[in-house]
Amino acid sequence: GAVVSQHPSRVICKSGTSVKIECRSLDFQATTMFWYRQFPKQSLMLMATSNEGSKATYEQGVEKDKFLINHASLTLSTLTVTSAHPEDSSFYICSATDGPDEQYFGPGTRLTVT
Amino acid sequence: TQLLEQSPQFLSIQEGENLTVYCNSSSVFSSLQWYRQEPGEGPVLLVTVVTGGEVKKLKRLTFQFGDARKDSSLHITAAQPGDTGLYLCAGAEAAGNKLTFGGGTRVLVKP
Repeated sequence: GAVVSQHPSRVICKSGTSVKIECRSLDFQATTMFWYRQFPKQSLMLMATSNEGSKATYEQGVEKDKFLINHASLTLSTLTVTSAHPEDSSFYICSATDGPDEQYFGPGTRLTVT
Repeated sequence: TQLLEQSPQFLSIQEGENLTVYCNSSSVFSSLQWYRQEPGEGPVLLVTVVTGGEVKKLKRLTFQFGDARKDSSLHITAAQPGDTGLYLCAGAEAAGNKLTFGGGTRVLVKP
């Protein structure tokens, strides 16, 4: 089956710094990647949709200047949390798809901002 | 904005009992997916239902898509502790492949 990886799996950073999370499709070319965040005991909330070679489409309420998304190739998308604050601490999950069918989810990245 | 409501939010049962999780919406979805998520991991796809009235079985799990493609249910027969987890339904919009997730149902099966 299709495999999506995320790196790092866990990251701790200091308030005010930036952190980059990578999402890779390992055995297929992902035309579209999605970024979600999940707070404890809650469901997934879509942050943005990323298409290769074009600007990401952000959901309402998500600051595009704070959550920078780059989808430079068909197998890699990155999410950079800029000037992180403790309230940005969350579980960030990406998914990837190569068509109109299922999305394949990564294992998630736990971000803790101290 | 399409919304999906899942119920119940939390379910605690004894091993061997049956359970049903519901996913309801006022909107029509082109397909609906069910996922199971373990703590600290990404969601894992269980099934995709596409046709109104469709029923799919996966061992002890039975998934049903409503005739109008607005609701779905997940039924687990003779639950086992290994079924413990967060169950999520997600609907796909007609255009594109953006998913809308339900709020999730946390299932705890006690031995």
